Amino acid sequence: DGGITQSPKYLFRKEGQNVTLSCEQNLNHDAMYWYRQDPGQGLRLIYYSQIVNDFQKGDIAEGYSVSREKKESFPLTVTSAQKNPPAFYHCASRTGNSYNSPLHFGNGTRLTVT
Amino acid sequence: GNSVTQMEGPVTLSEEAFLTINCTYTATGYPSLFWYVQYPGEGLQLLLKATKADDKGSNKGFEATYRKETTSFHLEKGSVQVSDSAVYFCALSGGSYNTDKLIFGTGTRLQVFP
Repeated sequence: DGGITQSPKYLFRKEGQNVTLSCEQNLNHDAMYWYRQDPGQGLRLIYYSQIVNDFQKGDIAEGYSVSREKKESFPLTVTSAQKNPPAFYHCASRTGNSYNSPLHFGNGTRLTVT
Repeated sequence: GNSVTQMEGPVTLSEEAFLTINCTYTATGYPSLFWYVQYPGEGLQLLLKATKADDKGSNKGFEATYRKETTSFHLEKGSVQVSDSAVYFCALSGGSYNTDKLIFGTGTRLQVFP
């Protein structure tokens, strides 16, 4: 079955460490996205990529970096993680540039920084 | 810019009660509107969508009608079940700027008791 795989599901790091979250899709989708969900809040866009080797900042890109070397993969790096309430990171993808098409989401990664 | 406003939760209902979760949006032009659902421990899933005014999206007994005149996309279900307990997100993309970024509301938690 096609889908989006995020790993790991739970991640623990010390404050100041870098951490990379994995996202792989086998849906042959062109566009991929990273969102962050803080407790009791909606999803906010971190970065997105519409084609390989190209990506754009979202609303909360500071402190993050991404790469898109392959169509299937869009890893997110948290640079110098800060101690905050645990947040969920959601990776998603969709076909082409059509704003009518829905996003497909992975199961998320919960990052706890101590 | 574009934005989505949802009613605050949690919404607590007894099984078989009628559900309404309000969602209004701010956007120019004709955005596409979506409802996503997040069950405990899982990623977001598309519940339903509508891409033009007066369209009604429906799935699993849930419905929402795209009302351009009131800029609303309220989610309704005639008889909720315990298994509907989840967080529901209203979202939009597109509009005059044809942005393919999906903008989410803050989410509404639904709790259904037997």
